[in-house]
Amino acid sequence: QSVLTQPPSVSAAPGQKVTISCSGSSSNIGNNYVSWYQQLPGSAPKVLIYDNNKRPSGIPDRFSGSKSGTSATLDITGLQTGDEADYYCGTWDSSLSAGGVFGGGTSLTVL
Amino acid sequence: EVQLLESGGGLVRPGGSLRLSCEASGFNFKYAMSWVRQAPGKGLEWVSSISGSSGSTYYADSVKGRFTISRDNSKNTLFLQMNSLRGDDTAVYYCVKDVFYYGSGNFDSWGQGTLVTVSS
Repeated sequence: QSVLTQPPSVSAAPGQKVTISCSGSSSNIGNNYVSWYQQLPGSAPKVLIYDNNKRPSGIPDRFSGSKSGTSATLDITGLQTGDEADYYCGTWDSSLSAGGVFGGGTSLTVL
Repeated sequence: EVQLLESGGGLVRPGGSLRLSCEASGFNFKYAMSWVRQAPGKGLEWVSSISGSSGSTYYADSVKGRFTISRDNSKNTLFLQMNSLRGDDTAVYYCVKDVFYYGSGNFDSWGQGTLVTVSS
């Protein structure tokens, strides 16, 4: 059972928009920055978003992140078949057992 | 360009030990560093983090008391000493760089990973 809750899967057609949610609590998302990672099959994860909404250089603006309260969202617009991957949210948990936490991952299918 | 190169993975018997290393290059090594693992067919699991100065270390409950994270800033190298290994420690272990000097759970660079297999 992951600390952060993500939908197991989402799907949409090429060119459409998809939203992936990540739900947590005040000890993690509510008081810490959120990152989003993309993991293509057979590859290491790659950061898409950090500090809630910042994109590293080289990440297209089709990917955007936001945070509100104890939830975060990753939006992907103009879907491409190459976007098919697993997506994970992550942050820090400031509770007694402080440390990193991840969502269970969301598998994106581009129909 | 940030590069994180893990080594030290392999096959080990239950109860055994292994030491992972991660050689970093292309950035100021004073950032916090972490280890994240992924069991076969499973999601990401945070394992341990260490602040840039080594003043603070953090561990997942699943590895506390068995794993020790450390770093040598003079050699730009991160380590993970793993003792009393169990079958559920089998995973690809990723070395990751934090965005901040302290642990924040925001990882902006990942290594390619090293596979640890615990089996008799």
